[in-house]
Amino acid sequence: NAGVTQTPKFRILKIGQSMTLQCTQDMNHNYMYWYRQDPGMGLKLIYYSVGAGITDKGEVPNGYNVSRSTTEDFPLRLELAAPSQTSVYFCASSYRDPVAYFGPGTRLTVL
Amino acid sequence: AQTVTQSQPEMSVQEAETVTLSCTYDTSESDYYLFWYKQPPSRQMILVIRQEAYKQQNATENRFSVNFQKAAKSFSLKISDSQLGDAAMYFCAYRSANSGGYQKVTFGTGTKLQVIP
Repeated sequence: NAGVTQTPKFRILKIGQSMTLQCTQDMNHNYMYWYRQDPGMGLKLIYYSVGAGITDKGEVPNGYNVSRSTTEDFPLRLELAAPSQTSVYFCASSYRDPVAYFGPGTRLTVL
Repeated sequence: AQTVTQSQPEMSVQEAETVTLSCTYDTSESDYYLFWYKQPPSRQMILVIRQEAYKQQNATENRFSVNFQKAAKSFSLKISDSQLGDAAMYFCAYRSANSGGYQKVTFGTGTKLQVIP
């Protein structure tokens, strides 16, 4: 199993550009999550999904959108990038077990 | 709402020595899970150890053990025989054990551990 994979690993965006962060898991987990981690801070939940076709907002959803068309994939969309979205983004997944398995992260810089 | 507090932004330990990282949390729930995650410079989040609140016995995983004090709402991580590879950011996390639906995981702000050769 590859676990949770994320692409890209790094990205630089200009203000106002859009992009999609990809996340895929091969563990057949029903729960998937997107977190952001700002310097010196813990992880903040952006969006989560409890299964294909079901998503909900987390603590900091503004400026982001998600979709979950399959069990495996949970992409995160940034429509109009802003400097405040400069962060490291983590995707995670879990099943009944409460442990979340994390992807390697995407470092995003918005200039 | 649950909160997780890590009061030590940075710690250091000599190689082969023992270090303890502190974590306190606030909750009104009686059943929950607690975790310690390690984040090395690669940024990958790695589960180190987990504790179920209903279990009185402290969890251990090789050189890693916890001191779980439910009444005091304290969950410290002890690393024995510290190795250079233990240098990382360590996050304490809390999750409700209520059945059904999504349960939010709350993370602390992290403790950066330096291991001195």
